[in-house]
Amino acid sequence: AQSVTQLDSQVPVFEEAPVELRCNYSSSVSVYLFWYVQYPNQGLQLLLKYLSGSTLVESINGFEAEFNKSQTSFHLRKPSVHISDTAEYFCAVSEKGSQGNLIFGKGTKLSVKP
Amino acid sequence: DAGVIQSPRHEVTEMGQEVTLRCKPISGHNSLFWYRQTMMRGLELLIYFNNNVPIDDSGMPEDRFSAKMPNASFSTLKIQPSEPRDSAVYFCASSLRTGGGNTIYFGEGSWLTVV
Repeated sequence: AQSVTQLDSQVPVFEEAPVELRCNYSSSVSVYLFWYVQYPNQGLQLLLKYLSGSTLVESINGFEAEFNKSQTSFHLRKPSVHISDTAEYFCAVSEKGSQGNLIFGKGTKLSVKP
Repeated sequence: DAGVIQSPRHEVTEMGQEVTLRCKPISGHNSLFWYRQTMMRGLELLIYFNNNVPIDDSGMPEDRFSAKMPNASFSTLKIQPSEPRDSAVYFCASSLRTGGGNTIYFGEGSWLTVV
């Protein structure tokens, strides 16, 4: 069975500092990987996803994530965060050939302080 | 384009009452998901449908929970009778299943409080 581990439940950082949110997954087959973001009192929105090809994927607002198959990781990074990045971030996995449902990690709350 | 629409956005009900949550998926999407989010357990997949047919309901907590999808544009999640431990945010989500790696689009959630 597939699973997703987000080791950090909360990550406080100062504005303009770099940040890395860690995600590790477990699966016996090939997977697709996703990062979703949830702003307060809202639903989840797709931030970026890895399907195939280049292992480095980027979002439109400066986040990037790198798929590392040997370490079964998909860590999310941003070189300089803004106050508006304060949100909860969820890593998710979907097995290739499955019905397409996502299994989510427990989330990491990113708090950006001025 | 309209996103996934859920109603009600907020509901407070007394223990023992029936609760019905409603969802309209994005037009053209053929997969629909119901998730529950709590502080303790995070995001849990309750059930999902493909082409209006329930595929996996193993996440439904117990018989008090039921979900239906009578047509491609409407789904309900019903709790009867409700209990305080059912208090959570319930998300409906939809996607266009085309073979894998499909983006799932979430509604804004139904915030349920059972007192």
